[in-house]
Amino acid sequence: DVKVTQSSRYLVKRTGEKVFLECVQDMDHENMFWYRQDPGLGLRLIYFSYDVKMKEKGDIPEGYSVSREKKERFSLILESASTNQTSMYLCASRESYNSPLHFGNGTRLTVT
Amino acid sequence: AQRVTQPEKLLSVFKGAPVELKCNYSYSGSPELFWYVQYSRQRLQLLLRHISRESIKGFTADLNKGETSFHLKKPFAQEEDSAMYYCALRGVVDNAGNNRKLIWGLGTSLAVNP
Repeated sequence: DVKVTQSSRYLVKRTGEKVFLECVQDMDHENMFWYRQDPGLGLRLIYFSYDVKMKEKGDIPEGYSVSREKKERFSLILESASTNQTSMYLCASRESYNSPLHFGNGTRLTVT
Repeated sequence: AQRVTQPEKLLSVFKGAPVELKCNYSYSGSPELFWYVQYSRQRLQLLLRHISRESIKGFTADLNKGETSFHLKKPFAQEEDSAMYYCALRGVVDNAGNNRKLIWGLGTSLAVNP
């Protein structure tokens, strides 16, 4: 069974802090994704990565960056956290473009 | 434009009643449609995909290209079906000809009352 692990379930940070959200998958999947999930707005894609050291912007990349130095790990970075980045962040992976997504449990980030 | 519409934010039914969660899409080619489900305090997970044409947990969904719909149905709802349901479409083709991104609906929260 695929396991996608997000390092923190809950996180509270202050405005202006640099925040790292970590995601690890254990199935050697090529593709990895970061979404944010907000009530009434559904899932919005922040960044995705097809392979190591590759990344592409999603629909709402502003204020975020990512890092994929190893195939199993995909990190989301908030360079300077703001209150409007308070949200549930979901990481997902898939084997190939033709495969379903496997999600992590999510990280609920609160920026005060 | 590629779009997925779930017209109901919230759907409330009684246990044992039929349930239908609506999903309409806009896409000019041949889409692949999915239903994902998120139960309370659990991760988002795939429920079913139209190419599988299977029934999962009593749910079925048929792709209707004429009506551009992929409604999720279950004849007799159970309390454990209460969850957030997302319809998604894969149809965005990149330069390499691969469909990579999913287009998501906003989700429907299903509440099954005893």
